[in-house]
Amino acid sequence: AQRVTQPEKLLSVFKGAPVELKCNYSYSGSPELFWYVQYSRQRLQLLLRHISRESIKGFTADLNKGETSFHLKKPFAQEEDSAMYYCALSVGYQKVTFGTGTKLQVIP
Amino acid sequence: ETGVTQTPRHLVMGMTNKKSLKCEQHLGHNAMYWYKQSAKKPLELMFVYNFKEQTENNSVPSRFSPECPNSSHLFLHLHTLQPEDSALYLCASSQDGSGGYPDTQYFGPGTRLTVL
Repeated sequence: AQRVTQPEKLLSVFKGAPVELKCNYSYSGSPELFWYVQYSRQRLQLLLRHISRESIKGFTADLNKGETSFHLKKPFAQEEDSAMYYCALSVGYQKVTFGTGTKLQVIP
Repeated sequence: ETGVTQTPRHLVMGMTNKKSLKCEQHLGHNAMYWYKQSAKKPLELMFVYNFKEQTENNSVPSRFSPECPNSSHLFLHLHTLQPEDSALYLCASSQDGSGGYPDTQYFGPGTRLTVL
């Protein structure tokens, strides 16, 4: 069965510092991977997906099949980046497995 | 209201009660989902409906009974729940998966359920 692991429950960084939120997955097939974000008092929403290969709000994520990782990175953290971040893996078109989430806290 | 709405936002019920959660989407999507979010656990997929047909039941106990009368509405009927069923229940919708790749899911705000 597929699994998504986010090893850090909380990541605290200073404003302007680089950010890397870790995500590892286990799945024998070709995965589709996503990052979802939940800002305070807002609903869960898509941040980015690996198939799009885009940068959203300065965040990027590269799929590394050798290391089965999909880490989320941003070179300079901003206070408004503080949120819960969930890595997710899609099997087929509609079955999505989420990680436990990492809370990012950007310290002013 | 646009997007995905859920009612009620908060619900407290006893173990012998029967209640229902409602989800409505205004995005023209054809797939709808129920997720359970418990403290310290990953978001768990419960059910998937595609064009009103249930396509996924992730080994959910029968005390949870979903209903999808049309592509815009999804219900979760609750009966004889246990305290461990207390959680945030999230509804989501997406297109129908016919595009050849997984569709983005759009989430509602959730219903916070407490079972006494």
